[in-house]
Amino acid sequence: GQNIDQPTEMTATEGAIVQINCTYQTSGFNGLFWYQQHAGEAPTFLSYNVLDGLEEKGRFSSFLSRSKGYSYLLLKELQMKDSASYLCAGMFSGGYNKLIFGAGTRLAVHP
Amino acid sequence: DTGVSQDPRHKITKRGQNVTFRCDPISEHNRLYWYRQTLGQGPEFLTYFQNEAQLEKSRLLSDRFSAERPKGSFSTLEIQRTEQGDSAMYLCASSLLAGYDTGELFFGEGSRLTVL
Repeated sequence: GQNIDQPTEMTATEGAIVQINCTYQTSGFNGLFWYQQHAGEAPTFLSYNVLDGLEEKGRFSSFLSRSKGYSYLLLKELQMKDSASYLCAGMFSGGYNKLIFGAGTRLAVHP
Repeated sequence: DTGVSQDPRHKITKRGQNVTFRCDPISEHNRLYWYRQTLGQGPEFLTYFQNEAQLEKSRLLSDRFSAERPKGSFSTLEIQRTEQGDSAMYLCASSLLAGYDTGELFFGEGSRLTVL
């Protein structure tokens, strides 16, 4: 299988930085996505990593280490609206580019 | 609005009834996926279409579930003889198969099914 593991819940303070980790099985790995999902809404794309390293996009950055089967999503200058579930998803060969999702990390941002 | 649209957004039905959901993908997208999501979990893959061909079905998809994409545009997901365990959000997503494309999936708002 391609188990995608991420913490269930995290809390952080407005204005702070939070890192959400994700691990996956490396066999057949083709790329790693992060999606944000607010309660009752559709997942929306945040980032994509296929090569090792850090991809920065505004307040959000995503890191990938292919050899370690590890990724993280870094959220800076947290805002209340960042309270949501963050879904780590892997793309694996032989799967018609379908994404295998983790259970999601529910982030609560407090004042 | 040129995003993925799903209909109905909410469906409440009694156990044993049949339900059908519709998905209209982004118009130029040739790949279409159905996922199921329950509370506190990530989306689980159900099935995949490339144009009108259904190329992959998850083992999660029992024979009570059937999906079609007759003309390679919209898709339907039908659940026959619904069970309470079918209660979930059914998400449709589409993407474009192209050499330069990352394979990013664009999701619809989902169809929430409640089976009483």
